[in-house]
Amino acid sequence: KQEVTQIPAALSVPEGENLVLNCSFTDSAIYNLQWFRQDPGKGLTSLLLIQSSQREQTSGRLNASLDKSSGRSTLYIAASQPGDSATYLCAAPRRANFGNEKLTFGTGTRLTIIP
Amino acid sequence: NAGVTQTPKFRVLKTGQSMTLLCAQDMNHEYMYWYRQDPGMGLRLIHYSVGEGTTAKGEVPDGYNVSRLKKQNFLLGLESAAPSQTSVYFCAAGALNTGELFFGEGSRLTVL
Repeated sequence: KQEVTQIPAALSVPEGENLVLNCSFTDSAIYNLQWFRQDPGKGLTSLLLIQSSQREQTSGRLNASLDKSSGRSTLYIAASQPGDSATYLCAAPRRANFGNEKLTFGTGTRLTIIP
Repeated sequence: NAGVTQTPKFRVLKTGQSMTLLCAQDMNHEYMYWYRQDPGMGLRLIHYSVGEGTTAKGEVPDGYNVSRLKKQNFLLGLESAAPSQTSVYFCAAGALNTGELFFGEGSRLTVL
């Protein structure tokens, strides 16, 4: 069974700082790894998707890396802004369960950017 | 382009009542999912579908039924609501080629 852990559960940083969010998973035979953002009372928005053959993906100020051998992914946010405040979740489906039917989510890191 | 749309967004039920949540997607994705999200427990998969006319149980299927009669719609039913089913329900559609998931805005259900 895949287990996904995100530490810390909450993080507060001053505006403008660069920061890293962590995601670890127990089964390295993953199909892909996805990072999502969830605003209060809203659904999940896909931020970055890293296929198992890739090492990283970038979108604007966001960069996600994947190290399957160590069971870790990081989400790097550059020059943080108050609008980045949200809960960030990662998910890592196992390759054996193509189609994400057993997609396991972490419980998320609640990020607060202090103006 | 709406993506994934859920209706209703809010609903209050009494114990024992029934209701159906509707999820509609306009992205032509094969896979669709129903999750529930509860404080401290993260997202848990209720049921899923890998194509029109097919459904399968997820992690917490008891008390729920689903149907996928049309590719674009995935319905979640509660036949006899219980207070333990108070939660926020999310529908998602998944791309076959990449496995990327797209979520709806959620449906908040309260069972009294």
